[in-house]
Formats: sequence, C-alpha cells, structure tokens
Amino acid sequence: DAGVIQSPRHEVTEMGQEVTLRCKPISGHNSLFWYRQTMMRGLELLIYFNNNVPIDDSGMPEDRFSAKMPNASFSTLKIQPSEPRDSAVYFCASSGGLRKYFGPGTRLTVT
Amino acid sequence: GEDVEQSLFLSVREGDSSVINCTYTDSSSTYLYWYKQEPGAGLQLLTYIFSNMDMKQDQRLTVLLNKKDKHLSLRIADTQTGDSAIYFCAESDGSSNTGKLIFGQGTTLQVKP
Repeated sequence: DAGVIQSPRHEVTEMGQEVTLRCKPISGHNSLFWYRQTMMRGLELLIYFNNNVPIDDSGMPEDRFSAKMPNASFSTLKIQPSEPRDSAVYFCASSGGLRKYFGPGTRLTVT
Repeated sequence: GEDVEQSLFLSVREGDSSVINCTYTDSSSTYLYWYKQEPGAGLQLLTYIFSNMDMKQDQRLTVLLNKKDKHLSLRIADTQTGDSAIYFCAESDGSSNTGKLIFGQGTTLQVKP
C-alpha cells in the first residue's frame, strides 16, 4: 500500500484565495483525521471522520474551514478565504484500529 | 480537558541512552503512543502501550508507563544520529474508541556524534 497520500505537498497562495487540500487514506481504514501543525500551537486536531461521517469538528478554527469525505477513499479540507495565519503544515491521517498512519503533509503558505 | 506535556529539547551523545518524558491528564486513556517526526516528513508511529501495562520493549525502544502518576517515558538505547527527530507523545481519547489522539508539543532529540 502506498500509505496516506496528500496533495499538493506544497501550496503558496495569496490572502483571500480558496485553498483545497486533498487526502487519500489507506484502503480499508474507516477513520480519517485532519491535523494542523504550527510552531506556536503544535499539532491540533481539526476534524475527524468515522465511516465517512464527520464525528468531531470542534477543532476547526472558524467557518472559513470546511472538510468533506464524499467516499471512503477521498477527503478534502478547504479554506475560503485563506489568511496568512492559516500558514501551517496540514496532515491527514487514517486508521483502521489502534495504529494511525500519517500522510507526508501539505505545507501551506498564505502571503 | 485532556492535556499532554513534554519537555521541548533533549541532547545526547551517540551511543548513550535517551529518555524522553511525557505526562498526561486523561486517566481514561486506553492507549498511549510515541510518534517520531523527521524533518519535512509526517509522523511515524514508533510504538504504543496499553494502559494496563507498565512496560513494553521493542528492540532499542522501551516504554515505561506509571499510570498512578500519569507519566510515560520512551527510552532509546544506543542512540544513533539517525534518531535525531521530534518525538511526540499522544494519548487516546478515553471517551470513545474512534482513534482520536491528543498530542504533546513534541521533544526535539539532538544526537551529537
């Protein structure tokens, strides 16, 4: 298995633009997580899905952030409009039990 | 709420043992985890321990759990320069079984040759 796949790996955009981050979980995993990592706040859980259903989105910073999981093999995290303070590394992770596997992350820079 | 605390930095010499410490607050956590993050990469699961165990050994890694004090440690024997990375302690959300993890802020391990 290729592991958790995220795209793009790097994204540079201007403030106000829409940003869409993509994730393909490991086949057969029924839980998917979006994390954000910054120097100041460390790793923060934004939202997670179980069997494609959002379970807890209390970590989503504000209404500018939204996440979807239309099927078991794909999820998106959208930021609209983006702001400089959204600059971070965004990780997707999936799990089918005890072990959680992380993708390589998307480094987002909003100028 | 849940909180996980780690020291931020540890420096050791190659060949020495490294001990990274972590404290957590949620006594209902079922599993506790150690992840490793190398520069520019995602998090890699190193090992985990079930909350009813007090020790787990896996090659050079030894995990010790003191449930009474809510203290978790990771010992790396014969530390190598390739072990230089950020190490994250994480506790599972004890209120559910969905795999939600709460991470510490990470300990940067520097291994000097």
